[in-house]
Amino acid sequence: SQQGEEDPQALSIQEGENATMNCSYKTSINNLQWYRQNSGRGLVHLILIRSNEREKHSGRLRVTLDTSKKSSSLLITASRAADTASYFCATDRNTGNQFYFGTGTSLTVIP
Amino acid sequence: NAGVTQTPKFQVLKTGQSMTLQCAQDMNHNSMYWYRQDPGMGLRLIYYSASEGTTDKGEVPNGYNVSRLNKREFSLRLESAAPSQTSVYFCASSEVQGGGYTFGSGTRLTVV
Repeated sequence: SQQGEEDPQALSIQEGENATMNCSYKTSINNLQWYRQNSGRGLVHLILIRSNEREKHSGRLRVTLDTSKKSSSLLITASRAADTASYFCATDRNTGNQFYFGTGTSLTVIP
Repeated sequence: NAGVTQTPKFQVLKTGQSMTLQCAQDMNHNSMYWYRQDPGMGLRLIYYSASEGTTDKGEVPNGYNVSRLNKREFSLRLESAAPSQTSVYFCASSEVQGGGYTFGSGTRLTVV
């Protein structure tokens, strides 16, 4: 069974706009991660956020975590065509050692 | 380039055949993982190895076996392939448990 559920399943925006993706999960966690996957490629790690953190930034990426709502969001600011990819959240279900992935959000950035 | 290397990249098997997917990392990571990715299902954990000499089942271990040959290598074996095992298989590693994963580029397996 999937731990994380990303929302929306698909998102299409114009270049320069911001993209927001959400992840909801069911059980308590130690850590939550976000990954990007370009078509036909492996996943690339973007950000890890711990359960005692509320927000993290990395370049144009901003991740928030609300453990009371069991949800996280990934914001990509000033999107580029190269951001076109699928984005996955992954949680550790409080195990601390292996991560369980959601089904992903497919983002298309139109030039 | 440092990273996770998977072989082969593509494979077609007949039902009942066996094969081993190879994975090697050169980052001195302690933990390694095997996932499968199916359309609409996301990635599902098959097996993982928290450290050299240990292996544990993930969500979907049935039909698979693994070997942590040494710190660098973690192989996945299908003893008797079934069409339900048609998938893209990803190997990943992490420096520590709970850390970010580095993924390989995947093996696309078709069982006919």
